[in-house]
Amino acid sequence: DGGITQSPKYLFRKEGQNVTLSCEQNLNHDAMYWYRQDPGQGLRLIYYSQIVNDFQKGDIAEGYSVSREKKESFPLTVTSAQKNPTAFYLCASYDPGHNWGYTFGSGTRLTVV
Amino acid sequence: DAKTTQPPSMDCAEGRAANLPCNHSTISGNEYVYWYRQIHSQGPQYIIHGLKNNETNEMASLIITEDRKSSTLILPHATLRDTAVYYCIVSGAAGNKLTFGGGTRVLVKP
Repeated sequence: DGGITQSPKYLFRKEGQNVTLSCEQNLNHDAMYWYRQDPGQGLRLIYYSQIVNDFQKGDIAEGYSVSREKKESFPLTVTSAQKNPTAFYLCASYDPGHNWGYTFGSGTRLTVV
Repeated sequence: DAKTTQPPSMDCAEGRAANLPCNHSTISGNEYVYWYRQIHSQGPQYIIHGLKNNETNEMASLIITEDRKSSTLILPHATLRDTAVYYCIVSGAAGNKLTFGGGTRVLVKP
């Protein structure tokens, strides 16, 4: 079945460490997105990529970095510069040719200890 | 993208229809109305979208007013599994990044 896989589901990080969240899709979608969600809040856009080897900052990109070397993969690195990284992270993909909605992964819950 | 306004929460009786309103008074002509829902600790799930006409699928119906300034998502026979946060989003057809507001927290009660 086609879909988006995020791993790991739970991740613990020590303060000052970088950590990379994985997002893989086999939907052949060009566009991919990373969102952050804090408890009781909506989703906020971190980074997005509409094509391989290209990506743009979203609303809250500071302290994060991404790469898009392959169509299927859009990893997110949470760097030590991110002051409050504990959150639920969601990856999504989208095919503009269909226009019937974004597909989301099941999320990664990151906790800084 | 246009901003949307939704009530923060609402309750619904199991088996009854749930009508979820959304205001999007600044919507522009080429922007679609999307609805997603998010069950606790999961990724959002696409429900339905529309431009001008009312739409129906196996999950829900979407009623868009003639002036397109508001819409209503209808869950015809709510079940306990429909308990979730429902997001109304307005976005251009080019697949621009979605902006999620606070949504409506729907609690379906037995």
